Amino acid sequence: DVKVTQSSRYLVKRTGEKVFLECVQDMDHENMFWYRQDPGLGLRLIYFSYDVKMKEKGDIPEGYSVSREKKERFSLILESASTNQTSMYLCASCLRGRLTDTQYFGPGTRLTVL
Amino acid sequence: ELKVEQNPLFLSMQEGKNYTIYCNYSTTSDRLYWYRQDPGKSLESLFVLLSNGAVKQEGRLMASLDTKARLSTLHITAAVHDLSATYFCAVDKNHRDDKIIFGKGTRLHILP
Repeated sequence: DVKVTQSSRYLVKRTGEKVFLECVQDMDHENMFWYRQDPGLGLRLIYFSYDVKMKEKGDIPEGYSVSREKKERFSLILESASTNQTSMYLCASCLRGRLTDTQYFGPGTRLTVL
Repeated sequence: ELKVEQNPLFLSMQEGKNYTIYCNYSTTSDRLYWYRQDPGKSLESLFVLLSNGAVKQEGRLMASLDTKARLSTLHITAAVHDLSATYFCAVDKNHRDDKIIFGKGTRLHILP
């Protein structure tokens, strides 16, 4: 079974703090993704990584950065958290290429920025 | 720019009834996914549809894909309360990478 884990289920931070969200997958997937999910907006892609040290901006990268030093781990960083970054953050992974596979999601981190 | 629209966005229905959720998308794609999300939980993959005319069924759920119409449907047969969840469709953004674009989700509430 594919397993994608995220470091925290719930997180409360203050405005201006630096926040790290960690994601680990155990299926040797090349691709990893960070999304945020907000009511009425669905899932929106923040950043995408297709290999170690490789990253691409998604649709809403402003205010975020990412790090992928090892294949199994993809970190999302909020350099200076703001209240509008209060959201549910979902990590996902999948195999690379046009294969008959889907993205596998972690349990999510609900972040509240006060 | 690829846009993915689901309708309805909210659906309340009685157990035992049939209904269909629609997923329209704006540019050519031949890869479409359906996911289920229970309240407070993450997304679970339901179906992967890879070609025009593809049909997949699991229990009371059946998904189909018409790439010419840029339309996928998720049909629910004889709904039961356990199917209450939010359903998302997602479409392959382009043929160069593995990014997908999600619809806003259909929140399905099945009344016992």
